[in-house]
Amino acid sequence: AQSVAQPEDQVNVAEGNPLTVKCTYSVSGNPYLFWYVQYPNRGLQFLLKYITGDNLVKGSYGFEAEFNKSQTSFHLKKPSALVSDSALYFCAVRGLGGYNKLIFGAGTRLAVHP
Amino acid sequence: DAMVIQNPRYQVTQFGKPVTLSCSQTLNHNVMYWYQQKSSQAPKLLFHYYDKDFNNEADTPDNFQSRRPNTSFCFLDIRSPGLGDAAMYLCATSRYTGSGVNEQFFGPGTRLTVL
Repeated sequence: AQSVAQPEDQVNVAEGNPLTVKCTYSVSGNPYLFWYVQYPNRGLQFLLKYITGDNLVKGSYGFEAEFNKSQTSFHLKKPSALVSDSALYFCAVRGLGGYNKLIFGAGTRLAVHP
Repeated sequence: DAMVIQNPRYQVTQFGKPVTLSCSQTLNHNVMYWYQQKSSQAPKLLFHYYDKDFNNEADTPDNFQSRRPNTSFCFLDIRSPGLGDAAMYLCATSRYTGSGVNEQFFGPGTRLTVL
């Protein structure tokens, strides 16, 4: 069965420092992986996805993610964090069956301090 | 701008009183999804439509129903809301082509309160 795990409930980082939000996956077949961000009382916004090809995926708002097959990880990164990056981040994997179904991780709350 | 719209943004209902949440999209996507999200937890998929083809999740309670009268609109009906149904309900859309892998686009959500 497809699943993703986000081992950290919360990540704290100072503004201007690099940030990493971790995600590991377990899949049958090819891993199709996604990152979404959610601001308070809002829907989820798509950041980036990995389908195939280059292991470093660039996305919206300066975010990027590194796909690592040997470690079954897909960590979200940003070189320099902004206070406005503070939000809830979800990693997701495409589910089996259905139509572009997503299986979400539990989420990681990112807090960027001035 | 193309988007996913949910109405209302906030809905208050009484215990046991039926309620309908609506979603519309201007993206012309062929798949529409309904999720339930509680207290910053992971969104939980309730069901989704591929065109008119309805796909229910095995653990979605019978209390939740859905209708998709056309490509643009999808409704979530909660027949007898309980206190445990208070949550954020998210609608999303996606284009399914059979060959590619496409992301989902989410609406802003409807926060349901059950009194």
